[in-house]
Amino acid sequence: DAGITQSPRHKVTETGTPVTLRCHQTENHRYMYWYRQDPGHGLRLIHYSYGVKDTDKGEVSDGYSVSRSKTEDFLLTLESATSSQTSVYFCAISEAGTENTEAFFGQGTRLTVV
Amino acid sequence: GENVEQHPSTLSVQEGDSAVIKCTYSDSASNYFPWYKQELGKRPQLIIDIRSNVGEKKDQRIAVTLNKTAKHFSLHITETQPEDSAVYFCAASVRTGFQKLVFGTGTRLLVSP
Repeated sequence: DAGITQSPRHKVTETGTPVTLRCHQTENHRYMYWYRQDPGHGLRLIHYSYGVKDTDKGEVSDGYSVSRSKTEDFLLTLESATSSQTSVYFCAISEAGTENTEAFFGQGTRLTVV
Repeated sequence: GENVEQHPSTLSVQEGDSAVIKCTYSDSASNYFPWYKQELGKRPQLIIDIRSNVGEKKDQRIAVTLNKTAKHFSLHITETQPEDSAVYFCAASVRTGFQKLVFGTGTRLLVSP
């Protein structure tokens, strides 16, 4: 498996609190992505990064922010968690853009907002 | 916007039968079509992919076909085994400033012994 680790693996938080999820890679891949997985929706892109300090929005970015200060770390922050953000979050990495190379996924983080 | 439709949402087969999962995409510029398998509680993992300059690709019991004119592609699994039971996702590359993958909604395949 590609060297990609997500933390925490599980988290329960209260509505209105900030939450940060971490993705750490040891592959030195340039591209990193955050997806959320919900029943009936498949995997939807939240944000992505194409280099240190280079990030952009995906299709479901409202309520989320990201930061990438080092190649190996990509942080996803829920500024003020809502129940609609209860989901399984996957980080992914790829050596080049996903039009040409495999995207490797982390183990996922199950987030519950109560 | 870009869309990938996947059917069926669930598929039950007997061990040894074939299984076919179909996807259609909307962006005619899409040129990369991977398939991911996700076992229960695990991460999605790539099982096969195809690029737009190829019509078919095989890897042992798995094959993918692509019809660019009709904008659809399919996953074929022959001689299914219980360990093939999982959720399968198709995806298509789209370019809106940056090339990304748009995923289908998934197919839950159940292979009964």
